[in-house]
Amino acid sequence: DARVTQTPRDKVTEMGQEVTMRCQPILGHNTVFWYRQTMMQGLELLAYFRNRAPLDDSGMPKDRFSAEMPDATLATLKIQPSEPRDSAVYFCASGFPSREQFFGPGTRLTVL
Amino acid sequence: RKEVEQDPGPFNVPEGATVAFNCTYSNSASQSFFWYRQDCRKEPKLLMSVYSSGNEDGRFTAQLNRASQYISLLIRDSKLSDSATYLCVVTPNTGTASKLTFGTGTRLQVTL
Repeated sequence: DARVTQTPRDKVTEMGQEVTMRCQPILGHNTVFWYRQTMMQGLELLAYFRNRAPLDDSGMPKDRFSAEMPDATLATLKIQPSEPRDSAVYFCASGFPSREQFFGPGTRLTVL
Repeated sequence: RKEVEQDPGPFNVPEGATVAFNCTYSNSASQSFFWYRQDCRKEPKLLMSVYSSGNEDGRFTAQLNRASQYISLLIRDSKLSDSATYLCVVTPNTGTASKLTFGTGTRLQVTL
């Protein structure tokens, strides 16, 4: 059963530290998304890629966040430096344009 | 105005009841519509797509009203296991760069 995987599942860090989250999309999917979910804001799209090329990262704070897809099996989201307001659950999802997206289990980030 | 709006609930209903959720969207060019389900501390998962003619999947019925720009989800004979947050999702077009926009969700609690 193909699934999106994410690591780590939980991350607790101190303000100012770098955080790297990783995602392995489902093999064959050509679109990969990064979302952030908080109680207040719901699910926010941070960035997405099509065939590994970044298409839209307008939802991401550019000064501290970066998203890359070094190869078809790995997507990364980095925060440097992290801040307490970055505490959230970060989801990766993969799929095809305008069709169902399959979500990973998420990374629960807590920045102290 | 938010792109996708939902009543956050919670909707508390007894087992066996029928419950309906509405979701409004602001972009009249929206083409694809979905309902996702998210259990507590889990990732969102596709519940059903919403077609122009309306569609049914067991106890679940989804409908689209383009003129009034809303979609609905009807759940008949509610089960305890239906307790979750239901996310309304729209996409603006079917082009290659399209992305999904999620509502903040409607929480359903089914009780004995």
